[in-house]
This record gives sequence, C-alpha cells and structure tokens, in this order.
Amino acid sequence: GAVVSQHPSWVICKSGTSVKIECRSLDFQATTMFWYRQFPKQSLMLMATSNEGSKATYEQGVEKDKFLINHASLTLSTLTVTSAHPEDSSFYICSAPSRGLAVADTQYFGPGTRLTVL
Amino acid sequence: SQKIEQNSEALNIQEGKTATLTCNYTNYSPAYLQWYRQDPGRGPVFLLLIRENEKEKRKERLKVTFDTTLKQSLFHITASQPADSATYLCAPFSGGYNKLIFGAGTRLAVHP
Repeated sequence: GAVVSQHPSWVICKSGTSVKIECRSLDFQATTMFWYRQFPKQSLMLMATSNEGSKATYEQGVEKDKFLINHASLTLSTLTVTSAHPEDSSFYICSAPSRGLAVADTQYFGPGTRLTVL
Repeated sequence: SQKIEQNSEALNIQEGKTATLTCNYTNYSPAYLQWYRQDPGRGPVFLLLIRENEKEKRKERLKVTFDTTLKQSLFHITASQPADSATYLCAPFSGGYNKLIFGAGTRLAVHP
C-alpha cells in the first residue's frame, strides 16, 4: 500500500526556535496533503490543508504566520513551527489522500512527529 | 457546527468476544464514513469506508454499519484478539465541508 513518511519522528527544541517537519508521499503523488495536531488522549485536529502550487488553507484558530506550510512538490509538504513555545508541544501528523486529490478519499497517514519545546 | 461522538471511556472485553464501538454524528449528513485504527505514538491506519447508500460493510473480522436515520455508525470486531487493542477513530465525511473530521476515538482493550 501507499506510504507516507515524516521526518523527524521526534524533535526537542528550545523555546523561540523554529522547527521544520517534512511529510513525503513515497510511492504516489499528492496535490493535497493535510496537517493534524494531536494532544495526549485527544482527537486529531485538522490544522491546515496543504496545496501543491498554491497557498495552504488554514482552519479557524490556526495562526498561518506561526505554522508555515509549503507544498514544494507533488510528494513533499513541510510544516514549519516558527518561534516555538512549550504550548506548541504536540504530536503532528500529516496525511495524503489515497488518490492524491480528494479529501473524500481514504487517507494515508504519516507516522507522526513528536515535538517537545523546552 | 458538526459534532462527532464516540464512547469516551475505554472498552474492555475478553479475547474471543465481539467488540462494538459507536460513532454518532449531528448537524450534518455525511456521504461517507471512515474508520481508522490508531496505536499509541503512531499515525492512524485506514480500516473501512462505508457510503451513505450502504447499510453494512465487512472486511475479515471487521463489520461496519451506517444508519443515516439514527446518524450512527457501529464498528464491530468479531473474535477479538489482544492485538486488536488500539484506539479506533471514526471520520464522517461531508462534501459540503470538504475536510475529514475525526471523532475523539474509543480505546479498545482486549484481555487474554
């Protein structure tokens, strides 16, 4: 089946620094990818939709200047957490639709990135 | 706004029994409903998709039902095994909102 990878799998950083998380679709192309955040024992919360060749669409309450998304190619989307603070510590997960296009498709999820901000 | 409810408490069952998980939704009419499995510290894995015109879908030991009148989906695991222990998420999809929204998930623990 299709595989989505994320890098790094975990990262620890100091408050005020920026962290970049990569999401790659390994054997299929995705014009759309999705970024989620998950706090312990809570559900996945959609942060934004990453669109190849255009700007990302952010969910209400998500600061676009803080969470920068770049969909550089049909197989790569990056999420940069700028000026990270301890409250940004969370589990960040990306997904890509199985047919690469529609959100209605089943989603292939990455393994997630655990971010800890000290 | 749309709301998705799953059993918030963990479901504990004995190995070999059937586990039944519930997903209720309000304020929208999804065209599809998907179920995912999530293990601790991992991304979710797709299990089954059921469409609004389908009453039931099966895959090996898994069965999903979709009742658009009750606005409910039931997820069954028959002959459950300890390896089935995980959190199960439902995600009803409506084209009108154009995004996949997940329920909080139900944690299933199957005991030997």
